[in-house]
Parts: sequence; structure tokens; C-alpha cells
Amino acid sequence: ETGVTQTPRHLVMGMTNKKSLKCEQHLGHNAMYWYKQSAKKPLELMFVYNFKEQTENNSVPSRFSPECPNSSHLFLHLHTLQPEDSALYLCASSQGPESTEAFFGQGTRLTVV
Amino acid sequence: GDSVTQMEGPVTLSEEAFLTINCTYTATGYPSLFWYVQYPGEGLQLLLKATKADDKGSNKGFEATYRKETTSFHLEKGSVQVSDSAVYFCALTIPYQGGSEKLVFGKGTKLTVNP
Repeated sequence: ETGVTQTPRHLVMGMTNKKSLKCEQHLGHNAMYWYKQSAKKPLELMFVYNFKEQTENNSVPSRFSPECPNSSHLFLHLHTLQPEDSALYLCASSQGPESTEAFFGQGTRLTVV
Repeated sequence: GDSVTQMEGPVTLSEEAFLTINCTYTATGYPSLFWYVQYPGEGLQLLLKATKADDKGSNKGFEATYRKETTSFHLEKGSVQVSDSAVYFCALTIPYQGGSEKLVFGKGTKLTVNP
């Protein structure tokens, strides 16, 4: 248990569905991140939020829409995904400038059919 | 730009063998360096870290030394166990505007340890 909880752990969705991934941390961290882990690619940073403000969108397609309502929660809204979006989506959090360690959730395994 | 290069896997060893996984980096400034481990079906866990040159990070028998002169952070363990089978990621952090930090990962090296 790392203190970062992701739900659901597994998700299967059709290309016309809309779903959301949830990430929650109660570590008092200021920064939260979404990463995508595909089978044959390195970990890809998707979005960064710092104090609820988005500080990076790493050229992610608009079918992925992040939301950070507060410092403890991060969502990734999904719509009209493609099969190539199937991957493990990892959420992470860190304190920010005074801590260089990121804590990861267990990930959501997404399959787009 | 900032990047991490680690040795291609997979790596297969027998129990009690010596492990080295090479990692080199390219970065402006002075990054912090990390090794993360991912066990099957899990997210990433921090294994060890070093925040400045010549620092040695260690945990669970694993060690890595921050070598500025060779821009390297190689992971070593003297005697691996079956339970060490996992994917290992080398990473560095880059300070960000606004206080957040950006983790840059290597591609990962899959280690399998056989009994």
C-alpha cells in the first residue's frame, strides 16, 4: 500500500463509451500525475497537476480529459477511445519541490474493444 | 533533452547470481536519480534514490551510486533471489516551474530469477 489508490483496477470499454479513472491520495502531496504504460513503450507522462493547476499536457489527445478538483483527487475522463489506447494507466503523487520521491498507485488496466 | 537510457532486457539469472543493470542519463542541471521496481500486476515502487553526486542509494540489498563524471546510476545486487523478479526502471527528476517535478523514466529492464 503506497498511499495512492486507483479505481477501478481493471476496465473494459467500447470505443463509444465514456468512463472515468479515479486516483486518490491522502499523503498531503501537492502534485499529481497521470502516466501511460504500454507494452512496448517506456512510461509516458500524460498530465501534471500542481496545487490543482495543470502544469503539463504532454501532447495527449483530447479524448483523454483530466480533472483535479482538489489536491487529493485526480480523474482521467475517457471518451471515444481507440484500441491502441489500451494500456496500464498509472497515477502518482509527490510532495513537490521539497520531496523528490513519487508514490504510485497500482494502476488501472484499460482494455478498449 | 533530458533522458534516461538503461540496458535492454530481458535479463535472466539464477538465484544467488550477481546483478548489474546499467543506467546512464542526460540532463541539464543536477537531477535526482532513482530506481523504481514494478512487480507483476502492481504499480511502481521506489527502490532507492540518490540526490547528489557520489551519493549511494541502497535498499533490500540493492545499491546504486550517483556518478556525475560518467552520468551513470547502475543498479547492483550481490545475490539475487526469485522474489527479485520484476521490471526495474531507472529515472530522474527535473524541477518544474510551479513547484512540481517531472519524472523521466528509462524503458525498463525485466529481470527473471530462476531457482
